[in-house]
Amino acid sequence: TQLLEQSPQFLSIQEGENLTVYCNSSSVFSSLQWYRQEPGEGPVLLVTVVTGGEVKKLKRLTFQFGDARKDSSLHITAAQPGDTGLYLCAGENTGNQFYFGTGTSLTVIP
Amino acid sequence: DAGVTQSPTHLIKTRGQQVTLRCSPKSGHDTVSWYQQALGQGPQFIFQYYEEEERQRGNFPDRFSGHQFPNYSSELNVNALLLGDSALYLCASSNRAGKNIQYFGAGTRLSVL
Repeated sequence: TQLLEQSPQFLSIQEGENLTVYCNSSSVFSSLQWYRQEPGEGPVLLVTVVTGGEVKKLKRLTFQFGDARKDSSLHITAAQPGDTGLYLCAGENTGNQFYFGTGTSLTVIP
Repeated sequence: DAGVTQSPTHLIKTRGQQVTLRCSPKSGHDTVSWYQQALGQGPQFIFQYYEEEERQRGNFPDRFSGHQFPNYSSELNVNALLLGDSALYLCASSNRAGKNIQYFGAGTRLSVL
């Protein structure tokens, strides 16, 4: 089983603060995806990273794929209440199978 | 362009019963994957269907079975329901020839009493 550990599991911050969520594994993945999920909804894809060391920016969100393609991070600058949700990372193996992380529940307080 | 649609949205069953969940993939997608998401956890991969065959399977018992139809829609069947089967069941579709990016439906919330 290819496990993806996310940290922290829960995060509650004030509006305007910065935060980083980590996704770590001992396995190498061909790609890694980050999703945000809101209550009662399915996960929504935020970004896919493919190349080791790759950095992608999506407005206030910055995603990085580790050099060895085993880990990733998500950094949010100046968090807003609309960022509240469950953040999930998912690694894709060479067989096109996706393994999800344990999730990080983020609450941004106005 | 309709996204991934799942039905029903909610379902209540009792132990020992059988259930069928349905999924219509996003237009242009040919691959359907099913996931089980327990409360407060990340989705767990059940299996994936492509060209009407099960291509990959996660660590789930044979009580979990599926089917894919010629129009790429899919069903997930669970027999002999257990209390522990209570979860959100998510369907994700993708295009095998593309970048294999998954799009998820809103899920079916199954409660087993």
